[in-house]
Amino acid sequence: GAVVSQHPSRVICKSGTSVKIECRSLDFQATTMFWYRQFPKQSLMLMATSNEGSKATYEQGVEKDKFLINHASLTLSTLTVTSAHPEDSSFYICSASNSRFDTGELFFGEGSRLTVL
Amino acid sequence: DAKTTQPPSMDCAEGRAANLPCNHSTISGNEYVYWYRQIHSQGPQYIIHGLKNNETNEMASLIITEDRKSSTLILPHATLRDTAVYYCIVRVEGAQKLVFGQGTRLTINP
Repeated sequence: GAVVSQHPSRVICKSGTSVKIECRSLDFQATTMFWYRQFPKQSLMLMATSNEGSKATYEQGVEKDKFLINHASLTLSTLTVTSAHPEDSSFYICSASNSRFDTGELFFGEGSRLTVL
Repeated sequence: DAKTTQPPSMDCAEGRAANLPCNHSTISGNEYVYWYRQIHSQGPQYIIHGLKNNETNEMASLIITEDRKSSTLILPHATLRDTAVYYCIVRVEGAQKLVFGQGTRLTINP
């Protein structure tokens, strides 16, 4: 099946710094990518939908200026957590689909665990 | 998207069939039923999906009731590696995003 890769898988940063997480579709062109956040023992929460070449659509309650999403190519989307604080520590997961995705599966990355000290 | 209701946790013996129920009583005609699972600290993995007919693949079977208000995911011969959180999701046709509920934490016991 299709592969979606995230990097880094784990990152530790100091409070106040910014962290960038990459999401790549390795064998297909992803017209749309999704970013999720998951806190311990909780379900995945959709943060935003990013379409190649256009601005991301954020879910209610997600600060667009804090979580910057760029989807500059059909194989890469990046999530930048700006001025990270300990409460931003979480498991961030991306998923990707191509233009043929209507009833088929959505492919997920392995996740990136962010720890803010 | 329609909401789903799943038991928070289930246990199953290794080698037996694991039957995971999901209620989606408000599902509409153009919504599909998807199942994903998430093994600890990994991204979700697609299992199976269906509209109204029963479906089977190499991983599992999906049984959807005739009124489509509930479904059951069946893992025919559960192994320890099937221990995970299983998510039942209903999704509007044409909408791409998946909205996750709380899922069922399935534990396979030796």
